[in-house]
Amino acid sequence: DAGVTQSPTHLIKTRGQQVTLRCSPISGHKSVSWYQQVLGQGPQFIFQYYEKEERGRGNFPDRFSARQFPNYSSELNVNALLLGDSALYLCASSPNRTGGGRNEKLFFGSGTQLSVL
Amino acid sequence: AQSVSQHNHHVILSEAASLELGCNYSYGGTVNLFWYVQYPGQHLQLLLKYFSGDPLVKGIKGFEAEFIKSKFSFNLRKPSVQWSDTAEYFCAVIPMDTGRRALTFGSGTRLQVQP
Repeated sequence: DAGVTQSPTHLIKTRGQQVTLRCSPISGHKSVSWYQQVLGQGPQFIFQYYEKEERGRGNFPDRFSARQFPNYSSELNVNALLLGDSALYLCASSPNRTGGGRNEKLFFGSGTQLSVL
Repeated sequence: AQSVSQHNHHVILSEAASLELGCNYSYGGTVNLFWYVQYPGQHLQLLLKYFSGDPLVKGIKGFEAEFIKSKFSFNLRKPSVQWSDTAEYFCAVIPMDTGRRALTFGSGTRLQVQP
């Protein structure tokens, strides 16, 4: 089975531009979460989508938005890029809404490395 | 809001040495706890998790972690490390009594095992 796939793997943008990152979850997984990992820090939660609805949002500005499609794939959009948006953006999928517990299974993709110049 | 602290940022060990990585979280309610590992060039993988019951949790590759509720800690241990354990290790928590079920990660510990 294919794992969580993210595209592109690397991206270079300039300040003020907009970017769209894409994520395909593992087949059968209905939940997608997005995390930002700045160099030297742990991943920080941005969004969670389950059954095409936003189920959670982290402490990020409105420049960040996301959506989930009927096939459960997802896009993360960032507008008006800042230098501080340079980071590894991780997508994670799970069969159900992430909630912990015995059956909690969260699978991460390899990420999209975004550099803002 | 909950937070996770990993006090060891960079640990260097020789093969066969014992490992203990510290993790403390700040949240007064019920939590699930996780350790994730990121090998060089690879994606984050689940090492082990605590959700309830026995506070001593065993994971893959000989790792274990102990949940001590009174200390808000979930330290990771391995009796004898191997060169292949070189990786970055992240502790994470999910609060179970709020509506937001998202992982909060620590800043990570980079483990370097020398042959």
